[in-house]
Amino acid sequence: NAGVTQTPKFQVLKTGQSMTLQCAQDMNHNSMYWYRQDPGMGLRLIYYSASEGTTDKGEVPNGYNVSRLNKREFSLRLESAAPSQTSVYFCASSELVRTGGYGYTFGSGTRLTVV
Amino acid sequence: AQTVTQSQPEMSVQEAETVTLSCTYDTSESNYYLFWYKQPPSRQMILVIRQEAYKQQNATENRFSVNFQKAAKSFSLKISDSQLGDTAMYFCAFFSTNAGKSTFGDGTTLTVKP
Repeated sequence: NAGVTQTPKFQVLKTGQSMTLQCAQDMNHNSMYWYRQDPGMGLRLIYYSASEGTTDKGEVPNGYNVSRLNKREFSLRLESAAPSQTSVYFCASSELVRTGGYGYTFGSGTRLTVV
Repeated sequence: AQTVTQSQPEMSVQEAETVTLSCTYDTSESNYYLFWYKQPPSRQMILVIRQEAYKQQNATENRFSVNFQKAAKSFSLKISDSQLGDTAMYFCAFFSTNAGKSTFGDGTTLTVKP
């Protein structure tokens, strides 16, 4: 099925551990995004990539790094996990930065718990 | 920076009735897009409806329609003939064509009662 695939779906980390969330899309979209969703709050942008080879910080980038590996893949890395990073993480893609008016296609999310 | 405000954290409606969810936003841009996304208990985010800021006509998608008031910076979602499957959290989102990214509201949890 065409869409955005995120792995893993669930993860528990200990404080200080590192991990990478993977995201891949097969819709030939140029732009990709990482958001986090905390209880009672909307989605907050961590990082985004307007096109292959470019990345930009969003609203809450501290503690995260990203890699746009190619047009299809956009990974999010937590170098030293902290309990404040416990959240649900969503990857999304859209056709073009300037024509994002078609909206986002989202992955199914990763529930991350840091203990 | 844009802000999106959803002033109703929770709402409920009887099956088959109509409900309206509110959203206001703040921006200095003239060209942008607005969206409503649905997030059912499965957690999957689903695009419900979109509105282009330069179009005066309100968007409709089957039972879903919007009331877009550009001057008032208001973008409400009306769900007609509510169904149990409409139970979800609904997010209003603003897409900036200048910045190339979306800002989301905090969401409204809608419960459809049988």
